[in-house]
Amino acid sequence: AQKITQTQPGMFVQEKEAVTLDCTYDTSDPSYGLFWYKQPSSGEMIFLIYQGSYDQQNATEGRYSLNFQKARKSANLVISASQLGDSAMYFCAMREYYGGSQGNLIFGKGTKLSVKP
Amino acid sequence: GAGVSQSPSNKVTEKGKDVELRCDPISGHTALYWYRQSLGQGLEFLIYFQGNSAPDKSGLPSDRFSAERTGGSVSTLTIQRTQQEDSAVYLCASSPRRGDTGELFFGEGSRLTVL
Repeated sequence: AQKITQTQPGMFVQEKEAVTLDCTYDTSDPSYGLFWYKQPSSGEMIFLIYQGSYDQQNATEGRYSLNFQKARKSANLVISASQLGDSAMYFCAMREYYGGSQGNLIFGKGTKLSVKP
Repeated sequence: GAGVSQSPSNKVTEKGKDVELRCDPISGHTALYWYRQSLGQGLEFLIYFQGNSAPDKSGLPSDRFSAERTGGSVSTLTIQRTQQEDSAVYLCASSPRRGDTGELFFGEGSRLTVL
């Protein structure tokens, strides 16, 4: 069974508008972390934001925020005030922490975001 | 540099040949990962090394794939008897020891083309 599901293969957004990229996850471990990475056409993987399962507040990093709904097992990425440079693939990922040790990081299939001028 | 270093950046080989891909993680990072990314696809987990623990090999697609990590630092991913479907970008990443969020720092990848 897929542990990370990104249901939007592609998304379009108008420059300066906000966009939400969906991510749902599946785990029975109470301790886990959720990550979002950006991969522009150059191929590099850029870390954007992290949310721990015990964090009480949603994570924010500049124009990026994570809408964490634990009961629904969703961790959607919100990008505010989109810029042309935001056009890229976006990957959601999850790490489970087994008994305090880090498990590996599992990625979703990604969402391709295109920002229109 | 201080980042994750991978070599070669590009490798073209003939079907049936063996290839070795190298990853030099960030100094002090105890965890090392290998992923495979086919064109336009997501990241497929291959193998994960964490300190002195036994590696998690659950993602290796076949017994033609193997990896080792010597001295807790440099890792080599070996693909034997390469097939055309092995063509992909192979990404290596490292992360600091437990207690951190576990953010991964990625190398620029090794692009493998099997003719």
